Amino acid sequence: NAGVTQTPKFRILKIGQSMTLQCTQDMNHNYMYWYRQDPGMGLKLIYYSVGAGITDKGEVPNGYNVSRSTTEDFPLRLELAAPSQTSVYFCASSSMWEGTGELFFGEGSRLTVL
Amino acid sequence: AQTVTQSQPEMSVQEAETVTLSCTYDTSESDYYLFWYKQPPSRQMILVIRQEAYKQQNATENRFSVNFQKAAKSFSLKISDSQLGDAAMYFCAYIPEGYGGSQGNLIFGKGTKLSVKP
Repeated sequence: NAGVTQTPKFRILKIGQSMTLQCTQDMNHNYMYWYRQDPGMGLKLIYYSVGAGITDKGEVPNGYNVSRSTTEDFPLRLELAAPSQTSVYFCASSSMWEGTGELFFGEGSRLTVL
Repeated sequence: AQTVTQSQPEMSVQEAETVTLSCTYDTSESDYYLFWYKQPPSRQMILVIRQEAYKQQNATENRFSVNFQKAAKSFSLKISDSQLGDAAMYFCAYIPEGYGGSQGNLIFGKGTKLSVKP
């Protein structure tokens, strides 16, 4: 049971480059999320999606874009990478039928912008 | 603003002993959920325990239990019979009920790093 899978696990970018973090879940969850975790901090929500074709901004959306063309996939795109985007990124999913509560997380993607 | 505060950046416990991690939160909502998540060195976040604010009974999950004090807005996690595998970052998190589609907008504390000594 794969759960939530993120790729890549590590990436180094130069300032101004762009990249996409991939996220796939195989649990048929409606809700998917992208978080970032800065050193010594909790997680902050970047974007979320309640289903295919529907996305919305979270707390810290600037500099990022998302799409949700299928239930399974929720890629996060970084445009014009900046050092402030150096962080660990987590994708998560949850089922609307199980109520508010358990989010299933991926293993994280560590991104460094130099 | 809704906030979650974990006042203990680091804690240490001897194997087989009991440790309590503290969490306080600030909200004007009456209905909400509280969580403790564990993040081991592998980085993957795992739900440890959940508490619904309308329930007076404290949640328990095997060796993990909470002390939920709604009036004091306190939500501590007790780990009994600590094991080496309990070593991790522990995050307290909050979300108001009925948050709709943005249910993932958990508000996290900064975390407590728990070390377990053999």
